[in-house]
Amino acid sequence: GAVVSQHPSRVICKSGTSVKIECRSLDFQATTMFWYRQFPKQSLMLMATSNEGSKATYEQGVEKDKFLINHASLTLSTLTVTSAHPEDSSFYICSARDYGGENTEAFFGQGTRLTVV
Amino acid sequence: AQSVAQPEDQVNVAEGNPLTVKCTYSVSGNPYLFWYVQYPNRGLQFLLKYITGDNLVKGSYGFEAEFNKSQTSFHLKKPSALVSDSALYFCAVSGNTGGFKTIFGAGTRLFVKA
Repeated sequence: GAVVSQHPSRVICKSGTSVKIECRSLDFQATTMFWYRQFPKQSLMLMATSNEGSKATYEQGVEKDKFLINHASLTLSTLTVTSAHPEDSSFYICSARDYGGENTEAFFGQGTRLTVV
Repeated sequence: AQSVAQPEDQVNVAEGNPLTVKCTYSVSGNPYLFWYVQYPNRGLQFLLKYITGDNLVKGSYGFEAEFNKSQTSFHLKKPSALVSDSALYFCAVSGNTGGFKTIFGAGTRLFVKA
């Protein structure tokens, strides 16, 4: 299957700083990528849909000014958590679809464990 | 709006016994259904999908799922469970929404005892 690489896998940052998470599709082009957040023992919550060359579409309740998404190329989307606070600590996962469209499975990155201290 | 329900938080099964992890869905139009597995501190791995055709779908690691349109279900099954199958399983639905986003169920934790 296609490979999605997410970096870093773990990051610890101080409260008030910003953290950038990268999501790359290694062997396919992804016009659309998705960012999820997962709390312990809970499901994946879709945060936003990242569209190459245009603004991201955020889900209701997700602060777009806090979670900045940039999808500058067909293989890279970034999520920046700005002015991070301890409550932003979570597991963040990105996914991407191959260009085939809606009826193909999504491929997931390894996830990023963010801890804000 | 599309949604997915996994009614069981946890499923316990003995090794060698058959397992079933339940999933029901709600979507307008034709559903595109998926099962994913997640191991601790890892991303999700694709197991199988139903798009169209045969209602019984076979996937990775001996798993299969049966699409039942009348019951709007897509239960995950395996004839003989392994201890290594212990993980968190997510049912998901996609399609008919802007951006082809995937919506996940709450997840079911599977414990297989030796």
